[in-house]
Amino acid sequence: GAVVSQHPSRVICKSGTSVKIECRSLDFQATTMFWYRQFPKQSLMLMATSNEGSKATYEQGVEKDKFLINHASLTLSTLTVTSAHPEDSSFYICSAREFRAYSNQPQHFGDGTRLSIL
Amino acid sequence: GESVGLHLPTLSVQEGDNSIINCAYSNSASDYFIWYKQESGKGPQFIIDIRSNMDKRQGQRVTVLLNKTVKHLSLQIAATQPGDSAVYFCAENSMNTGFQKLVFGTGTRLLVSP
Repeated sequence: GAVVSQHPSRVICKSGTSVKIECRSLDFQATTMFWYRQFPKQSLMLMATSNEGSKATYEQGVEKDKFLINHASLTLSTLTVTSAHPEDSSFYICSAREFRAYSNQPQHFGDGTRLSIL
Repeated sequence: GESVGLHLPTLSVQEGDNSIINCAYSNSASDYFIWYKQESGKGPQFIIDIRSNMDKRQGQRVTVLLNKTVKHLSLQIAATQPGDSAVYFCAENSMNTGFQKLVFGTGTRLLVSP
């Protein structure tokens, strides 16, 4: 159980292109999804927290107009990198957490999207 | 500021040995801790979690120990196998963030030799 699917796994595109990444919870409903960015040999950096039906909460320094997040259903969140440039190249990972009253639950992660902007 | 850090960036062990990966955290309000395993090119995989009202929890071949007095967390892997080779992250969250956000440690690479 607790499977999170992330697509695509790899994207290579030209500078200026907008790229959409999907994150789906396959066997549970995720009231909260999270988007991370990871540079080589580094830890995960939280970019934003996405709550179903409401606006995402962005971490300090993350441009909300650059990284558009939509969480329209309990099983799907999308991250769109708008007008991507080479400095946006990175490994983007989503996670999802099932809500259970009075109980903290772990985040379950997708397998990430390797984004390369030429 | 808040941080979760690791003492050992790389741990090399022989197959069959027991491995211990350590993690220190600084937020005394931390209430929930998780260990994740990340293989190359993949997302982190949940291993085991522990809540602050416990000091030990066991899973299959893994044990997590929590010492709140010194703000220390460890992951013990019994009979380490080559398939255990990966980067291991500890993570915590706390009442300060409404138990929403995870704070990740810097990671320890575990190398298991056959």
